[in-house]
Amino acid sequence: NAGVTQTPKFQVLKTGQSMTLQCAQDMNHNSMYWYRQDPGMGLRLIYYSASEGTTDKGEVPNGYNVSRLNKREFSLRLESAAPSQTSVYFCASSPSGTSYNEQFFGPGTRLTVL
Amino acid sequence: AQSVTQPDIHITVSEGASLELRCNYSYGATPYLFWYVQSPGQGLQLLLKYFSGDTLVQGIKGFEAEFKRSQSSFNLRKPSVHWSDAAEYFCAVGADSSYKLIFGSGTRLLVRP
Repeated sequence: NAGVTQTPKFQVLKTGQSMTLQCAQDMNHNSMYWYRQDPGMGLRLIYYSASEGTTDKGEVPNGYNVSRLNKREFSLRLESAAPSQTSVYFCASSPSGTSYNEQFFGPGTRLTVL
Repeated sequence: AQSVTQPDIHITVSEGASLELRCNYSYGATPYLFWYVQSPGQGLQLLLKYFSGDTLVQGIKGFEAEFKRSQSSFNLRKPSVHWSDAAEYFCAVGADSSYKLIFGSGTRLLVRP
């Protein structure tokens, strides 16, 4: 039981390049989340998915797209990376989309955009 | 709107000393309150949570937190800190009928030998 896994762990991009961050969970959770973590700002929600095929914008969705193709996987895509997207990205999952559920976090992807 | 304030960016304590990390929230009703810990290079792990009932909640690793409605606070405590407790700690608040968690900016704990 691996929990929440994320790939890659580290990535360096040049401005304008694109990439997809992958996330998968094996806990049969319905809800999945993408956050970014910046110094002094805690975690901010980028996108949320309540179930397969549904997504909802969070606090900071600009410059990102997501895809929830099945229950296990939730990917985050940067179409044209910008230096402002340099951050640590966390994927999380929870049994359902109510805030009293514990969220389980992956180990994170550290992204640098030059 | 909900908000969370963690007034201390860094705290340094000696190993074996007691610890209290502060968290203040803003929300009109009784919130769901959480403390998460992030060890270096790791994701976040839930320490404890409060929904209702007893205002003193026990968590993992010997941590506890007390919900004080009158002060809008949910401070995290540990009676004796271990070197392995060095990490960043996040307080978070959630609301009924919402999936959103609002995180504080975090407090980094350093432990002196």
